Amino acid sequence: AQKVTQAQTEISVVEKEDVTLDCVYETRDTTYYLFWYKQPPSGELVFLIRRNSFDEQNEISGRYSWNFQKSTSSFNFTITASQVVDSAVYFCALTYPNTNAGKSTFGDGTTLTVKP
Amino acid sequence: DAGVIQSPRHEVTEMGQEVTLRCKPISGHDYLFWYRQTMMRGLELLIYFNNNVPIDDSGMPEDRFSAKMPNASFSTLKIQPSEPRDSAVYFCASSPGFEAGELFFGEGSRLTVL
Repeated sequence: AQKVTQAQTEISVVEKEDVTLDCVYETRDTTYYLFWYKQPPSGELVFLIRRNSFDEQNEISGRYSWNFQKSTSSFNFTITASQVVDSAVYFCALTYPNTNAGKSTFGDGTTLTVKP
Repeated sequence: DAGVIQSPRHEVTEMGQEVTLRCKPISGHDYLFWYRQTMMRGLELLIYFNNNVPIDDSGMPEDRFSAKMPNASFSTLKIQPSEPRDSAVYFCASSPGFEAGELFFGEGSRLTVL
């Protein structure tokens, strides 16, 4: 069975602070894919990143960075110099190979509030 | 390019009424998904289609729920009869036809059943 845990239900920071959203997953497969999605107040979920289990390189995209560590089964997401527009619910998701990403197991989400 | 388009954005109905939610996926995407989001259960996959064919409907909660995809550009999710516990945000998403392709979500349809 696969499981995704986002232990932080809500996080509140002040603008320009750095913030890390935690994601811990469980799977018996050696090959899998991990995702992060953002759900802003407008409601739609927006894809941020996909990572496969064989690629442990960290990734940086502007103010966003992702730290994938198979040893701890974690795929954490850091926002540097947070902005009010980063306020959203962020979901981590896991899927098996040979299945479509739509069968992903989603975490419960972390609500991030960035205050001006 | 247009994203996934859902309608209606908001629906308020009374218990026992039929509800039909509509979705137009991104052109060229082979997969279409219906999700439901509630505070209690988070995001739940209800059903998904590949090339208009239903592949997995194990997430459909009851026989009151049905989904169709008559062609590559249109899908419906129907609830008949609706109940208050069906109140949720229903998302349609589409995905390209390769393994672990990311999901592209619509803006959702917020359903309230009184």
